[in-house]
Amino acid sequence: AQTVTQSQPEMSVQEAETVTLSCTYDTSESDYYLFWYKQPPSRQMILVIRQEAYKQQNATENRFSVNFQKAAKSFSLKISDSQLGDAAMYFCAYRRRNSGNTPLVFGKGTRLSVIA
Amino acid sequence: DAGVIQSPRHEVTEMGQEVTLRCKPISGHNSLFWYRQTMMRGLELLIYFNNNVPIDDSGMPEDRFSAKMPNASFSTLKIQPSEPRDSAVYFCASSLPPSKTLFYGYTFGSGTRLTVV
Repeated sequence: AQTVTQSQPEMSVQEAETVTLSCTYDTSESDYYLFWYKQPPSRQMILVIRQEAYKQQNATENRFSVNFQKAAKSFSLKISDSQLGDAAMYFCAYRRRNSGNTPLVFGKGTRLSVIA
Repeated sequence: DAGVIQSPRHEVTEMGQEVTLRCKPISGHNSLFWYRQTMMRGLELLIYFNNNVPIDDSGMPEDRFSAKMPNASFSTLKIQPSEPRDSAVYFCASSLPPSKTLFYGYTFGSGTRLTVV
């Protein structure tokens, strides 16, 4: 079974600084998707960024970027120019690629605090 | 697009009572997922449906939990009888097939916070 590990239960960052959240995963599959979701206090799950495993280029969405190391099974999230609104729980998630839909497997999350 | 709609947003019930959580997926989405979120266990998949058919219910904790999807626009998660350890946030999410979208994630509802006292 696939597992996702987030080794940092809590992180903090100064406003305008950069922070990196770690994620590792375990799978025997070669084709899959990886995601980072943000959950603010409103508890809404918001997709931040996604990565297809067959793409070597790291995904980027504005201030958010990933460092995808397929051989190491690592998928870290970098947040640049951190803002107060970035404070939230961040979940790393894995999804096996299939012709149909497959479930997301989540890590336990990292709580990010942003210090003004 | 109204998104995935879950009701109720909050539910407080007494131990032993039946609880029904509801979910309306996004129109046209063919997959629906129920997750449970707790501090201790994080986000756990309970069950998911493809084209209204349950595919994997191995995450359903015990026989007290049941889920149905009678049509493409509605699903329920029922707990009978409820217990205090069922207290959690329950999320519903829906998705188009990967072949039909470049967006390979899910759209989540706002969740139902269940408290069993």
